[in-house]
Order: sequence, then structure tokens, then C-alpha cells
Amino acid sequence: EVQLVESGGGLVQPGGSLRLSCAASGFTFSNYNMNWVRQAPGKGLEWVSYITSSSSTIYYADSVKGRFTISRDNAKNSLYLQMNSLRAEDTAVYYCARDRQLFYWGQGTLVTVSS
Amino acid sequence: DVVMTQSPLSLPVTLGQPASISCRSSQSLVYSDGNTYLNWFQQRPGQSPRRLIYKVSNRDSGVPDRFSGSGSGTDFTLKISSVEAEDVGVYYCMQGTHWPLTFGGGTKVEIK
Repeated sequence: EVQLVESGGGLVQPGGSLRLSCAASGFTFSNYNMNWVRQAPGKGLEWVSYITSSSSTIYYADSVKGRFTISRDNAKNSLYLQMNSLRAEDTAVYYCARDRQLFYWGQGTLVTVSS
Repeated sequence: DVVMTQSPLSLPVTLGQPASISCRSSQSLVYSDGNTYLNWFQQRPGQSPRRLIYKVSNRDSGVPDRFSGSGSGTDFTLKISSVEAEDVGVYYCMQGTHWPLTFGGGTKVEIK
């Protein structure tokens, strides 16, 4: 059974940093491209970042470019999102999702940016 | 960026009746490989999104056959042939053809 489990969310002050993790199981992680997608409270879905299986290609939404860094460790079956210079508008549930067409999603981890 | 426009915003439906959601893209979603990467997602209250339909009209495994997708180019539709109570939630279209990936604003399906 495919499982994606996010962790690392929490309360952080504006300007602070946070690192999210996504632990993958039930499939060969190293064969799949991965994404981060977020959802602000009561709002719709917003794609954040994408990384190919070998980390050779990475894309970011303009809203996070220069502040967020996506990475992965295929040996640990894990996906990461390093978030720096956080703003109030980054407050959201962050989901990891498998492949470019977002077939499988995790349960999400809540990031709250507030003083 | 490709803008995805969904309508209606809210869709009250009587149990057992059909429902239809429209999604329009600001440019063609036909990819260079000939495929059209238009997907539909369901998000039930308090749950993560779940993909229902991929490449316009292909149902994901486990998705009831009352859900169907159609369309081409820039105009797409999700239909529920007979709404059940478990179908309550928000439905999103999403294009996977162009970067950045973009979603429609969502359509909230509720029971009358």
C-alpha cells in the first residue's frame, strides 16, 4: 500500500525557517517524481514545488522561489521542503504528492506562520 | 501561467440526481506527446485530496463509475451520474501539461 507521511509542521514566527519531511513507503520511491502542494485554511490547492526522481529537474511556484528548497534522499525514501523567510501567507497544510499528475497524496502537515 | 476556471462555485444537488462541473483552461492542455493532462480531484471534508480522473476521462482505480470526465482542448467536464451522500466535498480540476501546475478554484458539492 502506498503511503506518504508528512511531518515537520508547526508554529513559526515570520522570517523563520522550517523543514518539512515526507516519508514514502509501498512503492519504489527512487523511480518517481514528487511534489509539494499546499492549501491555506479554507482555501483551494496551490502547487508549490516539483522534483524529478534523480533530482535533476526542480521547479518552484513563483510565490516561493528563492525562499523554499525541495530535495530528496532516495536512500531514505524521503522528500523534503526547506522553508526559509516564512511569511504569514505561507500558512497552510502542506501535502506531498507523487508524480506530475499527483496520483497519491499524504495526509498533510500544518504550517502556521504567526507572531 | 495557465488559469483554470471552474463553475459553479457551489452545487447543491438532490440525492440520486446528476451533477456536472465545468472547468476551462486559458490555453490548450494538449501536451507535445499528444496527451491532455487534465485531472479531477475530490476533497471530502477533513480529508486530503484524492485523484478521481486523469487525462480527461480515465477513472483511477476504486473510483465509482458514476464519475466520468470528458472534454478536449480547453473545455472539460466532470459528471456524477447519480449523487450519493459520500460525494459531498470540494472538487478541483488541475492541469498537468504546463509549468507551473495549476488548479481550478474548486466546486463545493453539497446535498440539498
